[in-house]
Amino acid sequence: EDQVTQSPEALRLQEGESSSLNCSYTVSGLRGLFWYRQDPGKGPEFLFTLYSAGEEKEKERLKATLTKKESFLHITAPKPEDSATYLCAPNYGGATNKLIFGTGTLLAVQP
Amino acid sequence: GAVVSQHPSRVICKSGTSVKIECRSLDFQATTMFWYRQFPKKSLMLMATSNEGSKATYEQGVEKDKFLINHASLTLSTLTVTSAHPEDSSFYICSALLASDTQYFGPGTRLTVL
Repeated sequence: EDQVTQSPEALRLQEGESSSLNCSYTVSGLRGLFWYRQDPGKGPEFLFTLYSAGEEKEKERLKATLTKKESFLHITAPKPEDSATYLCAPNYGGATNKLIFGTGTLLAVQP
Repeated sequence: GAVVSQHPSRVICKSGTSVKIECRSLDFQATTMFWYRQFPKKSLMLMATSNEGSKATYEQGVEKDKFLINHASLTLSTLTVTSAHPEDSSFYICSALLASDTQYFGPGTRLTVL
């Protein structure tokens, strides 16, 4: 059964304190792993897509990496505005492009 | 680019009435759109896949007669919650598929059924 697990469920950081979020997946025939950011009461905002093991992508203070079983979202020197829920979602649906969403990591960055 | 809108953002209705939610891709055409619902502190649950000009594909356990989906154009999909009941209260989010695989999400619609 295709599954995705994110850890930790919640993470509290001080401003400038770097850390990583984990997304573990068991998806056969992966066709891309997506990272989204979701603020309270809003829809998810697209961050990255990773397609193959070893691939990395960066955007400002965020860097996403991918292995055959995991993806990491590294946050370098976070700021309070980085506080949000971060969702990972493997594309398991092939041509249907269905995503399985993890339950997310709620990140709080304190000034 | 890749902006998706939803209307309304919030709706309160009485039990037994029907509610329509619109999802529009503003700056691109989307053959495929998706509808999700999200409960508090839970992740997104896919309800159905909406394809322009054809019938929607519903996920297991989702009542197609209760959640009517219409995708009449390449920029608009609608979700109608028929005979809504309090248990239908939730946060409904749509997404539109851009290019081959990236979903861009709308801001969501908070439905409260009294």
